[in-house]
Amino acid sequence: DAGVIQSPRHEVTEMGQEVTLRCKPISGHDYLFWYRQTMMRGLELLIYFNNNVPIDDSGMPEDRFSAKMPNASFSTLKIQPSEPRDSAVYFCASSLGAWAGAFFGQGTRLTVV
Amino acid sequence: DQQVKQNSPSLSVQEGRISILNCDYTNSMFDYFLWYKKYPAEGPTFLISISSIKDKNEDGRFTVFLNKSAKHLSLHIVPSQPGDSAVYFCAASAVGNQFYFGTGTSLTVIP
Repeated sequence: DAGVIQSPRHEVTEMGQEVTLRCKPISGHDYLFWYRQTMMRGLELLIYFNNNVPIDDSGMPEDRFSAKMPNASFSTLKIQPSEPRDSAVYFCASSLGAWAGAFFGQGTRLTVV
Repeated sequence: DQQVKQNSPSLSVQEGRISILNCDYTNSMFDYFLWYKKYPAEGPTFLISISSIKDKNEDGRFTVFLNKSAKHLSLHIVPSQPGDSAVYFCAASAVGNQFYFGTGTSLTVIP
């Protein structure tokens, strides 16, 4: 398996634009997580899914953020409208079971100017 | 509020010596803990875990110690190698709930 695949690797966008981050989890994994990493706050969990169903989205900063998992092999994290303070590295991760260590993608570095 | 804290942002150790990375947490309900290692421009990779029923878990050069009364865990790397240079995150969770991550400690192993 190629591991967790995220796209794009880098995204630069203007404030107010919509941004969509994509993730393909490891086949067979039933948990998918979206994280955001910043210097100030470290790694924060935004939302996670179990069997494609959102379980906990309490980490989503505000209504501008939304995440979907239409099937077991694909998830998106959307920011609309984007703001400069959204600039961060966004990681997607998947695991087999809630208690297993999660495998992370390489991340998407988002810069909002 | 940061429920998991790694108070040392960086640590330098000589090759062959022991590296000790520390992590403190505030929520007494946490009962499962993970350590991740992250290289620049890569996602974190799972390193080792421990549940609250144990106070030590060992995997090769890596050992995690858990002190529940102090709400403290530590990761020991012996002997340290230059390839261990990375950022290390600890994470904690209560059953059925999300994981909370520390802000990371950057380890540099000096050859």
